[in-house]
Amino acid sequence: EAGVAQSPRYKIIEKRQSVAFWCNPISGHATLYWYQQILGQGPKLLIQFQNNGVVDDSQLPKDRFSAERLKGVDSTLKIQPAKLEDSAVYLCASSPTPKYNVHPYFGPGTRLTVT
Amino acid sequence: GQQVMQIPQYQHVQEGEDFTTYCNSSTTLSNIQWYKQRPGGHPVFLIQLVKSGEVKKQKRLTFQFGEAKKNSSLHITATQTTDVGTYFCAAYAGNNRKLIWGLGTSLAVNP
Repeated sequence: EAGVAQSPRYKIIEKRQSVAFWCNPISGHATLYWYQQILGQGPKLLIQFQNNGVVDDSQLPKDRFSAERLKGVDSTLKIQPAKLEDSAVYLCASSPTPKYNVHPYFGPGTRLTVT
Repeated sequence: GQQVMQIPQYQHVQEGEDFTTYCNSSTTLSNIQWYKQRPGGHPVFLIQLVKSGEVKKQKRLTFQFGEAKKNSSLHITATQTTDVGTYFCAAYAGNNRKLIWGLGTSLAVNP
């Protein structure tokens, strides 16, 4: 089966600019996650969707980050305006259900550099 | 909130030596998952442990879940250069809907 697709793979922007990332989860997966992974650290959950509803966005900096999952399939994550500390890899993942006995499947990630 | 602590943070071994990383929690875990992330790559699921005292093996990798379901370990026998990467443990929080990640153990292997 096809994996989680993400684009772009790399992005370089200047601080205060805007950027958007796109994710297409594995077909049929109801749960979609956006993680931020700063170099040398573990993945940090930004937002979790169940179909097109938000399950958890407690660690999403809502003053600058936004995410949507229209129609419960594809998702976009936007940063506006970007800060230097937003430089990280943004990982999208999906799983069939949010139950404890499943695991997320990760996409290749988008490496964002903010200069 | 629930946390999973992982040690050591870094490990540097000679090829052929064994390697172990540990994951600890102050609360009882529903399950524990282990992932491997190669340099420049994304986390890849390795295994999930659910039962108290469970031990699972994948070739040279041995995974254990503690009797109290508060700790887990990943042991690699006779490391190879292909084992290089960061190993993460992760566990579901109380209502089982949020995956809590350890900070990972980065393994370097000298050929």
